Amino acid sequence: DAGVIQSPRHEVTEMGQEVTLRCKPISGHDYLFWYRQTMMRGLELLIYFNNNVPIDDSGMPEDRFSAKMPNASFSTLKIQPSEPRDSAVYFCASGTGTHRNTIYFGEGSWLTVV
Amino acid sequence: DQQVKQNSPSLSVQEGRISILNCDYTNSMFDYFLWYKKYPAEGPTFLISISSIKDKNEDGRFTVFLNKSAKHLSLHIVPSQPGDSAVYFCAAISGGGGNKLTFGTGTQLKVEL
Repeated sequence: DAGVIQSPRHEVTEMGQEVTLRCKPISGHDYLFWYRQTMMRGLELLIYFNNNVPIDDSGMPEDRFSAKMPNASFSTLKIQPSEPRDSAVYFCASGTGTHRNTIYFGEGSWLTVV
Repeated sequence: DQQVKQNSPSLSVQEGRISILNCDYTNSMFDYFLWYKKYPAEGPTFLISISSIKDKNEDGRFTVFLNKSAKHLSLHIVPSQPGDSAVYFCAAISGGGGNKLTFGTGTQLKVEL
C-alpha cells in the first residue's frame, strides 16, 4: 500500500492567497484526520471525518479554514485568505474504527506564508 | 487547554543507556494511549500503545507504563540506540471519541555515541 499521500509537500505563498492542501487516505480506511504541527502547540487536530462526514471541526482555527471530503479517497484542506501565522506543517492521517492503534500519517505539507 | 502534556521538550541520553520519556494527561475519559515517533521531514509513525486496563506493555526495547491514578505514562527505551534519536509524541484517545488522537507537544530525544 502506498500509504497516506499528501500534496504539495512544500508550499510557499504570499499572504492573502488561497492555499489548498490535498490528501489521499489509505484505501479501506474510514477515518481521516487533518493535523497541524507548530513549535508552540505541537500536533493539534483541526478536523476529522468518518465515512466522509465531518465529525469534529472544533480545532479549525477560524472561518478562513475549511475542509472537505467529497469521497472516500480524497480530502482537501483550504485556507483562504492565508496569513503568516498559518505557516506550519499540515499532516493528514487515516485509520480504521476497528483498531485504535492503526492511524497512519502522511509525510506532511510544509506551508510557508510570507 | 493542553490535555496531554510532555513537560520535557528535550532529552539527551548516551547510547546503551535507558531513555525515559514522560507524559501526563488531565482528561479522565482517555482510555487508550499511544506513542508516536517522528523523524524530521516525515510524518509520525506508531511505536507502541497501551489500554487503560493495563499498566504495562512491552515490545522489544520499548516499554510503556501507565499509572492511571497519577494520570501519567512513560516510555522506556532500553538500550537506547542512535537511530532512536527523534521526536516522541504521546497521544491519547477517549472512549467514545472515535479514533481522535490528542497529542502532547513532543520530546526531542537525542542518543549520543
